[in-house]
Amino acid sequence: DTAVSQTPKYLVTQMGNDKSIKCEQNLGHDTMYWYKQDSKKFLKIMFSYNNKELIINETVPNRFSPKSPDKAHLNLHINSLELGDSAVYFCASSREGEPQHFGDGTRLSIL
Amino acid sequence: GESVGLHLPTLSVQEGDNSIINCAYSNSASDYFIWYKQESGKGPQFIIDIRSNMDKRQGQRVTVLLNKTVKHLSLQIAATQPGDSAVYFCAENLGENSGYALNFGKGTSLLVTP
Repeated sequence: DTAVSQTPKYLVTQMGNDKSIKCEQNLGHDTMYWYKQDSKKFLKIMFSYNNKELIINETVPNRFSPKSPDKAHLNLHINSLELGDSAVYFCASSREGEPQHFGDGTRLSIL
Repeated sequence: GESVGLHLPTLSVQEGDNSIINCAYSNSASDYFIWYKQESGKGPQFIIDIRSNMDKRQGQRVTVLLNKTVKHLSLQIAATQPGDSAVYFCAENLGENSGYALNFGKGTSLLVTP
């Protein structure tokens, strides 16, 4: 009965590859997010998405793209992976203006 | 630059003592703040929130204080327990124009010693 679930938990891949991280929420929330946490534990918003609008942090490279097949899912696609993409990626969801619920993260390691 | 930050990166307290974690923000228009707890290998977990029309809000063993005059936020944990050991983040909600995204502070590592 996990509220926000991400898969995989760990992802190890080589530079230049394309990969995806899946996220699902069963809370009936209308807004979903992706955050990146670096090695110093700093959390930074990447995307905010509801069924009307995608809001992108302008610092996020266009190699990153969220895809939402339905209201309960927001997957993160990453093209041409680079060493600097190594981080922990968190998915979250909320109702507008209410506390966000986070998944347990996907640790991405680029070789 | 960041608009939300923490004064202390690490805090060590003895079990049973009270803990206080501080946070400063720079955007006077911010009206919604949240505290999260992150344990190793887990995602941030909601602790307590406060909106700008309040100065204080209490939960179970936790209290959040908001001082809008000096743009300061604090989290107080009463009778700190070993299970409270984690990294604590304050965050400001950026509002509708930013898709309700959160702007996080750097985090404070709380270590509870027996």
